[in-house]
Amino acid sequence: AQSVTQLDSQVPVFEEAPVELRCNYSSSVSVYLFWYVQYPNQGLQLLLKYLSGSTLVKGINGFEAEFNKSQTSFHLRKPSVHISDTAEYFCAVSDPNTDKLIFGTGTRLQVFP
Amino acid sequence: DTEVTQTPKHLVMGMTNKKSLKCEQHMGHRAMYWYKQKAKKPPELMFVYSYEKLSINESVPSRFSPECPNSSLLNLHLHALQPEDSALYLCASSQASGSFYNEQFFGPGTRLTVL
Repeated sequence: AQSVTQLDSQVPVFEEAPVELRCNYSSSVSVYLFWYVQYPNQGLQLLLKYLSGSTLVKGINGFEAEFNKSQTSFHLRKPSVHISDTAEYFCAVSDPNTDKLIFGTGTRLQVFP
Repeated sequence: DTEVTQTPKHLVMGMTNKKSLKCEQHMGHRAMYWYKQKAKKPPELMFVYSYEKLSINESVPSRFSPECPNSSLLNLHLHALQPEDSALYLCASSQASGSFYNEQFFGPGTRLTVL
C-alpha cells in the first residue's frame, strides 16, 4: 500500500529565508507525486506535480521540488519565502490502480516578519 | 475554465434538517470526488464518481447521500447529521478515471456546522 509521511507538522521561518518542507513516500509501483497548498478557509490548490521526466519540478509561486527515487523523497523548497506563503502544505501520492490520492498529514508553514 | 465551484460557502443546520451541498465543474472531467476535512487534518475521501457512476464509497454513513445528475454536477445530500459531522466539505474533479495520474482540482469547500 502507498503512504506519505510529512515529518514536520510545523515549520516556522522568517520572511525572505529559504524553506524546505519534507515529504517521504512508500510505494511498490511507479508513483505520481503532488504538493498542494491550502490557505486558511480555502480549498486545496496544486503547487506542483511529478509524473515522469526531470526530477526537479518547478511550480507556482516560486516553489520547486525534487523527486529522489533512491531516498523515496519529494521535498518542497523555496529560496525566499513571503508572509503570504503562510499556509498548510500537503504532499500526496496518486495510486495508479484506483482514483485515490493518498495525503500526508500536512505541514503548517508559518512565516514571520 | 479551470475552476470547481461549490455552494453554499457556509451552512448551519440542525440535526433534523435536510440540506444539500452542490459542486460544479466545466473542465470536461469525468471523475468527481467528495472529501471531508476536519481542522488541522488532511482531506478524507468520502465518495468517487466516475462517468457519473459511484465507483468508491469509503464506508460513509447513510446520512450522507451523493448524487451525480450529470458529468458537470455533483451533489451531497445531508440528513439527520450529528455535531461531529461539522467540517469543511471539499469537492474535486479529475480527468477520466483510470487515467495514469490523478491531478485533482479542488473547490473552495463548504464549511458545515451541525448544531
